[in-house]
Amino acid sequence: DQQVKQNSPSLSVQEGRISILNCDYTNSMFDYFLWYKKYPAEGPTFLISISSIKDKNEDGRFTVFLNKSAKHLSLHIVPSQPGDSAVYFCAASQGAQKLVFGQGTRLTINP
Amino acid sequence: SQTIHQWPATLVQPVGSPLSLECTVEGTSNPNLYWYRQAAGRGLQLLFYSVGIGQISSEVPQNLSASRPQDRQFILSSKKLLLSDSGFYLCAWARMNNEQFFGPGTRLTVL
Repeated sequence: DQQVKQNSPSLSVQEGRISILNCDYTNSMFDYFLWYKKYPAEGPTFLISISSIKDKNEDGRFTVFLNKSAKHLSLHIVPSQPGDSAVYFCAASQGAQKLVFGQGTRLTINP
Repeated sequence: SQTIHQWPATLVQPVGSPLSLECTVEGTSNPNLYWYRQAAGRGLQLLFYSVGIGQISSEVPQNLSASRPQDRQFILSSKKLLLSDSGFYLCAWARMNNEQFFGPGTRLTVL
């Protein structure tokens, strides 16, 4: 049972435009959500997170939106830059123990 | 500041051989520790996590085992590797707020 799903395996965006990465979850008990960025042959690096008591969190070019009723979160990157090309994983947790990751979305920023 | 180390970075092993991957964390105490595997083209699968010395939780039945002999040391092992054990293995640590920090990973190829 895939509790966290990223239904788009890949996304291609023009440099300077907005990148929107989506993530859906099924477990309504999840209370903390995170986005990670991963380059090939490296470990994922933390990007941004959001608690279930909020619906938006912003950090520079990155904004995460949470829609609890739809069990959906999204990551907006604007403006997109070539260095943003990577695989992005969303993750969710219930309580303070383990994260459940989505399958990842490969983002390609075209010059 | 905290750092996480994994070694080796790459490993090629024959089927049936043993495995030992090591992960150490510096700059923090009593972290939660995690082992993940990323198979080719797939997401991050949680294999084991540990909340303290000698405390290991297994997420999926498999050919692997984990041990935590010291507070900041986490070891992934196998007595006999299978072809299906090939993948990218990631160690991560976390405090209680769920944000996990990943190591650089080990690329394991079983031939």
